[in-house]
Amino acid sequence: DAGITQSPRHKVTETGTPVTLRCHQTENHRYMYWYRQDPGHGLRLIHYSYGVKDTDKGEVSDGYSVSRSKTEDFLLTLESATSSQTSVYFCAISESTGVDEKLFFGSGTQLSVL
Amino acid sequence: GESVGLHLPTLSVQEGDNSIINCAYSNSASDYFIWYKQESGKGPQFIIDIRSNMDKRQGQRVTVLLNKTVKHLSLQIAATQPGDSAVYFCAEKSAGGTSYGKLTFGQGTILTVHP
Repeated sequence: DAGITQSPRHKVTETGTPVTLRCHQTENHRYMYWYRQDPGHGLRLIHYSYGVKDTDKGEVSDGYSVSRSKTEDFLLTLESATSSQTSVYFCAISESTGVDEKLFFGSGTQLSVL
Repeated sequence: GESVGLHLPTLSVQEGDNSIINCAYSNSASDYFIWYKQESGKGPQFIIDIRSNMDKRQGQRVTVLLNKTVKHLSLQIAATQPGDSAVYFCAEKSAGGTSYGKLTFGQGTILTVHP
């Protein structure tokens, strides 16, 4: 998956607990993204990063925060997990933001919030 | 074609047949389109892309057709194989401004290839 590693691959947690998902890339791409995938909604952008310490919100950012202290790592944190955040989370990377940029995705993290 | 909802469109074909998967997009300002393939338990995998100044692009066993007049995109897979069984979805990106990967994804079509 284009040099992208997501961890953990599966996570079960309880409502109210903090959860951090990690995305690690070996491609040295500048741009990194977190998406969630849910039935009926497809892939939706949560947050993205355009460089170290540079991040911004996507369309479904409420309840999530991100951090990027190194080019290769992008962390997604659920400060207090809720059942509505049960989903499959995908990290993606892109080299540029040109008109024909391509996103390459990791293998995903299945998160269940009980 | 793709639609919003819990039940994805499905397409069943025999091995060796050609498959056509359709996608209707909504934004007439979109200038770039991508097709992704997603196998069970895996992340979306890039297949082929096309810019709005083209109406056809070919890859290895795949062809994407773009009809901007009716805002329709299709993916043709030649000589479909069992390994092609997956969910296929299109994504579009609007022209102008900063993009930062702000693709809009369709819901997907389930392709099942029978040996």
